[in-house]
Amino acid sequence: GQQVMQIPQYQHVQEGEDFTTYCNSSTTLSNIQWYKQRPGGHPVFLIQLVKSGEVKKQKRLTFQFGEAKKNSSLHITATQTTDVGTYFCAVVFGNKLVFGAGTILRVKS
Amino acid sequence: ETGVTQTPRHLVMGMTNKKSLKCEQHLGHNAMYWYKQSAKKPLELMFVYSLEERVENNSVPSRFSPECPNSSHLFLHLHTLQPEDSALYLCASSHFTGELFFGEGSRLTVL
Repeated sequence: GQQVMQIPQYQHVQEGEDFTTYCNSSTTLSNIQWYKQRPGGHPVFLIQLVKSGEVKKQKRLTFQFGEAKKNSSLHITATQTTDVGTYFCAVVFGNKLVFGAGTILRVKS
Repeated sequence: ETGVTQTPRHLVMGMTNKKSLKCEQHLGHNAMYWYKQSAKKPLELMFVYSLEERVENNSVPSRFSPECPNSSHLFLHLHTLQPEDSALYLCASSHFTGELFFGEGSRLTVL
């Protein structure tokens, strides 16, 4: 079925290090959304990207949509312990919002 | 408070029981969703309702039966479940295919 590949599956970083997660699709996407789920919590919407080559920033988070609209990345600069959780990308296929497998981020202080 | 409320938060049931999960959204959205979250498949879409009509049934076994009586309420009726159905069941709502607002989930354990 239609799916989006997300890597890496896990990442452990030292507090202060950077972190990046990537999503890739074999088909051109109309848009891509990013969500964060804290341990024990529920997914929370972060941002939606629509335009080719779009770059958006939220404080230490930088979101990018590829020129071909087939891939996207989320980059966190200087991670903090509050960044721990699972980061999901999600794309629309027809009536469905399909989620990537997620990247689990652990931050060592 | 996300505007999407799920009850119960925790449920333990035997394989022969019948139970229901309830979801209510106060956001005026026109689409509601059930997702299953487990260790094997982090966020697996089960059902989509748009304007109270089911528009997607993602090959879910018939022991899961959704019901959407109006645009604010969504139920998931559970009957003769299996232990492998133990998971976190998340309800979400959206305006068409915009951003999803998730409830806090119902943690289901099937014994």
